[in-house]
Formats: sequence, structure tokens, C-alpha cells
Amino acid sequence: DIQMTQSPSSLSASVGDRVTITCRASRNINYYLNWYRQKPGSAPKLLIYAASSLQSGVPSRFSGSGSGTDFTLTISSLQPEDFATYYCQQSYSTLTFGGGTKVEIK
Amino acid sequence: QITLKESGPTLVKPTQTLTLTCSFSGFSLTASGVGVGWIRQPPGKALEWLALIYWDDAKRYSPSLQNRVTITKDTSKNQVVLTMTNMDPVDTATYYCAHTVVTAMLDAFDIWGQGTKVTVSS
Repeated sequence: DIQMTQSPSSLSASVGDRVTITCRASRNINYYLNWYRQKPGSAPKLLIYAASSLQSGVPSRFSGSGSGTDFTLTISSLQPEDFATYYCQQSYSTLTFGGGTKVEIK
Repeated sequence: QITLKESGPTLVKPTQTLTLTCSFSGFSLTASGVGVGWIRQPPGKALEWLALIYWDDAKRYSPSLQNRVTITKDTSKNQVVLTMTNMDPVDTATYYCAHTVVTAMLDAFDIWGQGTKVTVSS
């Protein structure tokens, strides 16, 4: 299995901050990397697919980059609804999710 | 508009078999590239992918669970069914089904059901 490691596991930030979350794959996954946001008590929501493609309807403050083994999700200006947990997921081989990054209010 | 909804028992006993149904609308599981997957999330823990079935009846399973899990589809009813045998308390989780299009989205799950909570306890 390909292991996905997210960092940090949690962070504190304020509204308006620029936030960066990283995801590292245990081996090359090309660009087969997706990002989700999950609010408490709700299902995950797809933000970014294929490493850098913004899902339809997702605000442009979200962006993704990377290829191979190292990937980044950036939120350019954190909004109140962005305090949530973020997951990466690789779809290069048998699907696996990262352990999550919880974004909390500072 | 694509929607998915999970249904099944909320409580199962250890060693029993769990059967969950994903009922969907707004798409056809006969359309090329379309798939439906199952993902679960134990309380307070991360997401775990379980299985995925495609329009052509191809199936993929998590290696750690493939001996216990089976996924099937009924295109006439717009349903996907997940069965998991020999349930254990560690299988207590919220179970989600989700839609994907392998050709366009490379197995990213773009639409999710609301999830169904399953507790395994005697």
C-alpha cells in the first residue's frame, strides 16, 4: 500500500491567514492526489483533484500543487467555514487517505 | 443533481455480517467511467477507503479488508450494496458511499452521501 503522511496534524490560525498543508506519499503517485475538507458531523467535500484541479463550485482561495511524492494544499485567506479537518487521498493505486490535518481557530 | 444515501442497520453484533445499501439518483452506473465507492470513518479517526465498483462491473478492494468485503451493484434499482463479514467492535464507524468518474476525476469522490453510523456491540 502507498502510505500518505499529512503535516501538520493540527494547526491554529486566524481568519484571513494563509494556510499550507502538506501531504507526502511513500512512493511516486504522479499527480493522482485529491484534497477534501470535512466539517464536524458532515461528509467530506472534494476541493482539489489531480493535484491541482479546482473542483467545480469550490472557491478560488483553495489551490493545490505538487507531483510525485510531495503535495501542498494552500488556503490563501482562511474563512470561518474553513475551520475543519483536511484529508489528502491518493488514487494512483489502491486508494488511501492521509491521517488528516485539523485547522483550528487561534 | 447527483445524490447518494446510505441505509442499513445501526447496530450489529460481533461476528455478524453487515449489509449496507447506497441508493443514488442523478446518474447512471452504466455510463462509461462512473463508479461508486464506500469509505468509512471510525469515531474521531481518519477516513478509510473500503471498496469501489465501476460501470463495467470492475471492482477494487482495500487489501486489508478484501477477504471480508464484497461490493455489488443493481443498475435497475440504482443501488450499490456493500457486505462486510465477521463484524468486530473495531468496525464501528460512519460508513459513506460516494460517486466518482474515473476518466474525468481519477477516482476522486466528488459527491458523498450523508453517511450512516454503524455500531458493533453485543
